[in-house]
Amino acid sequence: GAVVSQHPSRVICKSGTSVKIECRSLDFQATTMFWYRQFPKQSLMLMATSNEGSKATYEQGVEKDKFLINHASLTLSTLTVTSAHPEDSSFYICSAVWTSGGDEQYFGPGTRLTVT
Amino acid sequence: QKEVEQNSGPLSVPEGAIASLNCTYSDRGSQSFFWYRQYSGKSPELIMSIYSNGDKEDGRFTAQLNKASQYVSLLIRDSQPSDSATYLCAVKAQGNYQLIWGAGTKLIIKP
Repeated sequence: GAVVSQHPSRVICKSGTSVKIECRSLDFQATTMFWYRQFPKQSLMLMATSNEGSKATYEQGVEKDKFLINHASLTLSTLTVTSAHPEDSSFYICSAVWTSGGDEQYFGPGTRLTVT
Repeated sequence: QKEVEQNSGPLSVPEGAIASLNCTYSDRGSQSFFWYRQYSGKSPELIMSIYSNGDKEDGRFTAQLNKASQYVSLLIRDSQPSDSATYLCAVKAQGNYQLIWGAGTKLIIKP
């Protein structure tokens, strides 16, 4: 149990375009999901908290108009990187909180974004 | 500022030995503690969660929690080369579901 999927696993896009990443909890409902970004050899960086049915809460320094988050159902959160630039190239990872257990966070496999 | 501290390593352990990973945290009111394993280029994978003082065992893994000392550890018995990874300690923040992350300890198991 407690499986989280992400799609796509890899994406290459041109500078100025937008990319949508989906995060799904496959066997549990998640009212809260998180979006992280990780650059090579660096720590996880929390970008935002995604709450079902309400606006996301962004961490300081993360542009909410650039990284659009929508948590429209109890099993799906999406992250859209708008007007992507090469510096947005990174490993984006979502997690979902399993509140029926011990509030553990289960992670999706991640999406590697490359902006050319 | 709430912090979680880990030795960045690398920690090198011979195959078959016990690997001991340590973590300290600053928020005395923390109640939930987690160990994640992250292979290079992959996302974190939950290994252990622990909520009360003492030891919790799961297969070759044992998590230890000492709230008085604000200390969490992870022991890996009979270490295998496949255990080579970065191990992340995380503490759940009070009042929400966010995790406060340590920087991770890189573990290398030498055959």
